[in-house]
Amino acid sequence: EPEVTQTPSHQVTQMGQEVILRCVPISNHLYFYWYRQILGQKVEFLVSFYNNEISEKSEIFDDQFSVERPDGSNFTLKIRSTKLEDSAMYFCASSGRNSLEQYFGPGTRLTVT
Amino acid sequence: RKEVEQDPGPFNVPEGATVAFNCTYSNSASQSFFWYRQDCRKEPKLLMSVYSSGNEDGRFTAQLNRASQYISLLIRDSKLSDSATYLCVANTGRRALTFGSGTRLQVQP
Repeated sequence: EPEVTQTPSHQVTQMGQEVILRCVPISNHLYFYWYRQILGQKVEFLVSFYNNEISEKSEIFDDQFSVERPDGSNFTLKIRSTKLEDSAMYFCASSGRNSLEQYFGPGTRLTVT
Repeated sequence: RKEVEQDPGPFNVPEGATVAFNCTYSNSASQSFFWYRQDCRKEPKLLMSVYSSGNEDGRFTAQLNRASQYISLLIRDSKLSDSATYLCVANTGRRALTFGSGTRLQVQP
């Protein structure tokens, strides 16, 4: 069964550093998403991406964040100048053209020290 | 007001029991609804989409009441493996999903 994959599973970084989180969505899916979940809190939408551009983003997704699809398979989330409060689990998800059903990857746990 | 609201639980039930979770949503423009399950420190896994007519998948039944802005999930014949957090989810943007905080279920032997 096809699945979304994410690397790394855990990333530790120092405050102020840049991190890139990577995702490989399900191969025939066209919509890609990033969500985050701070420990003990609910899952929160960050951004959706379609046809090589951002189609929707939340208030959380400010200038510190950017997304890219650098090639035909990867989808990345870059966080510039990380802050302590960026520590969270970051989930990538994807969905097909005609469905809102989103399938999530296993997540990257980001720890900012 | 929270966009998607759930009773956090926990619901502690014996194996074989029937358990129901409820959820309310505040955005009347929401079009699509889902139940996901999340195991501790794992990703949300899609359990089922929720349709206006109600839908069933094995031991799981989901219902949607648009007039009351209310969604439910019924689990029959609970198994130990059903122990997880159940997330009520509404599509509130073009494709953005808004998650509830989840209802924790613990099925006991």
